[in-house]
Amino acid sequence: AQSVTQLDSQVPVFEEAPVELRCNYSSSVSVYLFWYVQYPNQGLQLLLKYLSGSTLVKGINGFEAEFNKSQTSFHLRKPSVHISDTAEYFCAVSVGQGGKLIFGQGTELSVKP
Amino acid sequence: DGGITQSPKYLFRKEGQNVTLSCEQNLNHDAMYWYRQDPGQGLRLIYYSQIVNDFQKGDIAEGYSVSREKKESFPLTVTSAQKNPTAFYLCASSKQYRDYGYTFGSGTRLTVV
Repeated sequence: AQSVTQLDSQVPVFEEAPVELRCNYSSSVSVYLFWYVQYPNQGLQLLLKYLSGSTLVKGINGFEAEFNKSQTSFHLRKPSVHISDTAEYFCAVSVGQGGKLIFGQGTELSVKP
Repeated sequence: DGGITQSPKYLFRKEGQNVTLSCEQNLNHDAMYWYRQDPGQGLRLIYYSQIVNDFQKGDIAEGYSVSREKKESFPLTVTSAQKNPTAFYLCASSKQYRDYGYTFGSGTRLTVV
């Protein structure tokens, strides 16, 4: 069965520091990969997605992610974070027919001044 | 602008009462989903529907019911059989394509007292 593992439940970081949020997936077939962000008491917003082509995907708010097929990973990165990036981040994979997504457990990013 | 509307944003109910959460989309999406979110547990799928008049149970369907009489609407009823109904509920929709991802509503926070 397909699954998504986000390796860190919480990531504290200082403002203007770089950050990496890690995501690994398991699937025996080709996948499409997504990162979503959730601010407190709100729904999820799409940050970026990997469908095919270049393994480095750029998203909104200065985030990017790299698809690594051999390591079955899709880690999210930002070179310099802001206080406003404090939120929960979810990695998801689309498998099978239709568009159903499998979500990871989420990583809480906390940016401190 | 197209989107998903969840209402109400906050809902309080007495224990033992049924309550219905509304979810409406004007994106012409085929599929709709209901998730429950609790602190530290990520998103758990309650029910989903890929077409009008059809829906399937997700991972935690017990104590919940849904209907899909119109493409635009996918209401969720939290019944008195649901043992721990206090949670944040998220509705999402998507086209039936693997590369599309989800569009989320802003959520309903249900508190049972």
